[in-house]
Amino acid sequence: EIVLTQSPGTLSLSPGQRATLSCRASQSVGRDYLAWYQQKPGQAPRLLIYDASTRATGIPDRFSGSGSGTDFTLNINRLEPEDFAVYYCQQYATSPLTFGGGTKVEIK
Amino acid sequence: QVQLVESGGGVVQPGGSLRLSCAASGFTFSNYAMHWVRQAPGKGLEWVSLVSYDGNNEYYADSVKGRFTISRDNSKNALYLQMDSLKPEDTAVYYCARGQQWLIKNWGQGTLVTVSS
Repeated sequence: EIVLTQSPGTLSLSPGQRATLSCRASQSVGRDYLAWYQQKPGQAPRLLIYDASTRATGIPDRFSGSGSGTDFTLNINRLEPEDFAVYYCQQYATSPLTFGGGTKVEIK
Repeated sequence: QVQLVESGGGVVQPGGSLRLSCAASGFTFSNYAMHWVRQAPGKGLEWVSLVSYDGNNEYYADSVKGRFTISRDNSKNALYLQMDSLKPEDTAVYYCARGQQWLIKNWGQGTLVTVSS
């Protein structure tokens, strides 16, 4: 099973700042099958990034993903008020599919 | 647009059974793999199961293997999760999700399952 470790657990930032979220895998994620999801309280998750760096439909370009192998990053440029949420990475290269523990981006 | 509506959640005693359903619309259901993902109260996301577009292949998390069964009825645009031998640690919101291959692309709003005596 591929274990995904996200850091930091919580990120306290102000609107307009840049957020950098990390996701590290216990073994290489084949073909970079790594996705990022955003979840707001009381809502279902929403796909942001797939294949490590491809934005999903309708996702603003302030969201960007990068990385390969075992180290992946989600960057959010110029945080908007609606971006404060919990973010999860997930690998879909092998079964069982696994999620990271999440990073909460909160307003400072 | 893609719509996924879960139903069947509720309160069940430990050792009991429950069957979740997911009604899909807005896309050609029979072309897509489907997932169940759960989230315990205040916790992170946990993938539960995946069924291929034609129902011929199933995959499970170790935590539910042998107790849960995923299935689909492409004639009814419906996904199911039969949950047997339920444990308190199965308490969670269960999400139905549409896959693109194994990528989870679209999510329903979830249904809450509570396992408690």
